[in-house]
Amino acid sequence: DVKVTQSSRYLVKRTGEKVFLECVQDMDHENMFWYRQDPGLGLRLIYFSYDVKMKEKGDIPEGYSVSREKKERFSLILESASTNQTSMYLCASSGRDTYNEQFFGPGTRLTVL
Amino acid sequence: AQSVAQPEDQVNVAEGNPLTVKCTYSVSGNPYLFWYVQYPNRGLQFLLKYITGDNLVKGSYGFEAEFNKSQTSFHLKKPSALVSDSALYFCAVKGSYIPTFGRGTSLIVHP
Repeated sequence: DVKVTQSSRYLVKRTGEKVFLECVQDMDHENMFWYRQDPGLGLRLIYFSYDVKMKEKGDIPEGYSVSREKKERFSLILESASTNQTSMYLCASSGRDTYNEQFFGPGTRLTVL
Repeated sequence: AQSVAQPEDQVNVAEGNPLTVKCTYSVSGNPYLFWYVQYPNRGLQFLLKYITGDNLVKGSYGFEAEFNKSQTSFHLKKPSALVSDSALYFCAVKGSYIPTFGRGTSLIVHP
């Protein structure tokens, strides 16, 4: 059974803390994605990676950075967490071809106090 | 640029009745279209996709979707709704390798 796993389901952090969200996929997928999901706004793309060490900004990259040192792992970093980054964070992966669907992790609900 | 519209925030249907969740899209070139479902506190799960060929696509859990090129639509359908179908449904379009998602439609199936 194919899997995308995320390091935490729930996370509570303080304003100003550095936060790491980890995502691992076991499908040997080239593409990996980080989204945030907020009520009424749907899914918004933060960053995208199409290969190891390669990344592209999505629609809302401000306040975030990413790291992809290995093909199976894609990390999202909040350098200095703020309350407006309280959200559900979803990781996804897909094969290289445009017609491939995405596989999503269970999500991390992050609360910044 | 590509975009997706899901015109209904919420769809209510009685159990046993047919359901439709609407999606229209805009994209340059040939579209790849997807439907995903999200249950509470879970990630999204793939339901079905249109790549090419037959306009009626069948997917998981008895769902199907009809691709209509002239109306640029890809509506999700099921002949007989179940209470367990209650969830959030997302339509997505890909003209390139990055998909664009709609804002989601909450489907509520009443017993």
